[in-house]
Amino acid sequence: GIQVEQSPPDLILQEGANSTLRCNFSDSVNNLQWFHQNPWGQLINLFYIPSGTKQNGRLSATTVATERYSLLYISSSQTTDSGVYFCAGAISSGSARQLTFGSGTQLTVLP
Amino acid sequence: DAGVTQSPTHLIKTRGQHVTLRCSPISGHKSVSWYQQVLGQGPQFIFQYYEKEERGRGNFPDRFSARQFPNYSSELNVNALLLGDSALYLCASSLEPQLFYGYTFGSGTRLTVV
Repeated sequence: GIQVEQSPPDLILQEGANSTLRCNFSDSVNNLQWFHQNPWGQLINLFYIPSGTKQNGRLSATTVATERYSLLYISSSQTTDSGVYFCAGAISSGSARQLTFGSGTQLTVLP
Repeated sequence: DAGVTQSPTHLIKTRGQHVTLRCSPISGHKSVSWYQQVLGQGPQFIFQYYEKEERGRGNFPDRFSARQFPNYSSELNVNALLLGDSALYLCASSLEPQLFYGYTFGSGTRLTVV
């Protein structure tokens, strides 16, 4: 079954608006992380957040591990926030730890 | 300090050809992982290497192979290219394979198979 599921798949905002992105993950997934992929393909690590809440400027994230979900909040959005946001969790595969990614949320912030 | 560097940045190959992609991890990082990202999807795990040994392999055919060198850099090789191999190939490095310290990704190699 699906191990990491993200919603919504697409989001269009006006500059200055706030948004919430959601990630649901299965029991086999842990060590949740949020990434932002810019238009050039670079994946930037936003948060390593296996549980609890973290904030970094206009971005914050909350993971409720017992309920298997994580939320990424973007406040006062800017056009530079556009791109694809992925959540990913670690699963064990033999002695390796691989990241399993969701299908992403495509965010477009309009000026 | 340089981040994860990948080369080449873009590549066009013909079906049936072979390709080699290269990755240099962040200095001090001993674990390198490779991911394939097809357009419109999230990255998918291909390989993880740590201390020059393969630690894990994703659900990819034997046409895909990789290795890690003593300086911890890595190569991903794909033989008998298919059109479906067209994708962004991402390399990530970490201090160790347990992911407690998270991953740092390179900018990727965009491979187009025609």
